[in-house]
Amino acid sequence: QKEVEQDPGPLSVPEGAIVSLNCTYSNSAFQYFMWYRQYSRKGPELLMYTYSSGNKEDGRFTAQVDKSSKYISLFIRDSQPSDSATYLCAMSGGNKLTFGTGTQLKVEL
Amino acid sequence: GAGVSQSPSNKVTEKGKDVELRCDPISGHTALYWYRQRLGQGLEFLIYFQGNSAPDKSGLPSDRFSAERTGESVSTLTIQRTQQEDSAVYLCASSLGGRHEPQHFGDGTRLSIL
Repeated sequence: QKEVEQDPGPLSVPEGAIVSLNCTYSNSAFQYFMWYRQYSRKGPELLMYTYSSGNKEDGRFTAQVDKSSKYISLFIRDSQPSDSATYLCAMSGGNKLTFGTGTQLKVEL
Repeated sequence: GAGVSQSPSNKVTEKGKDVELRCDPISGHTALYWYRQRLGQGLEFLIYFQGNSAPDKSGLPSDRFSAERTGESVSTLTIQRTQQEDSAVYLCASSLGGRHEPQHFGDGTRLSIL
């Protein structure tokens, strides 16, 4: 079993939809949680960085962490075609950053 | 300001050749990481440098892989006697220091072994 599980998609939604992306993890030592966005042929770009359980909002993006369920989410409101990318969750427990495999998102016009 | 810079952006080489990949971290970032990203897979940690401390090499897949970093500047990742399974995107990231600091990535080197 992988330490971090993430549905690879692809996920296709219409423009303006609310997108929900999720990861589950098994290592209770993970304390820091990140979401990265990766466009084709580009490096991952940091979107959200959280430490504690709860919600963190930044513009159209909301990151949610539930440590009791070992479950993290990224919500994208009013999705745009420019949001089409692969979204990677990542988490750290003090040793190294462990990534999910990424979810490919396509926002259709 | 300038982000993480990697070169070359693409590299095609024959099986058995050695390759050297370069990473220029963000100025002031003391920590530097190398990752490998195979097609359709997540990022695989390779090696971590923090200041003048001994690097964490626990992710290097074989002794054909090595990396160096001079102080808090440029790093090179070397793959000797390349194999076809080495074909991947090699990503470099840097951070202010400490394992929990957010990492900032370059655009990677796309390595193809013929």
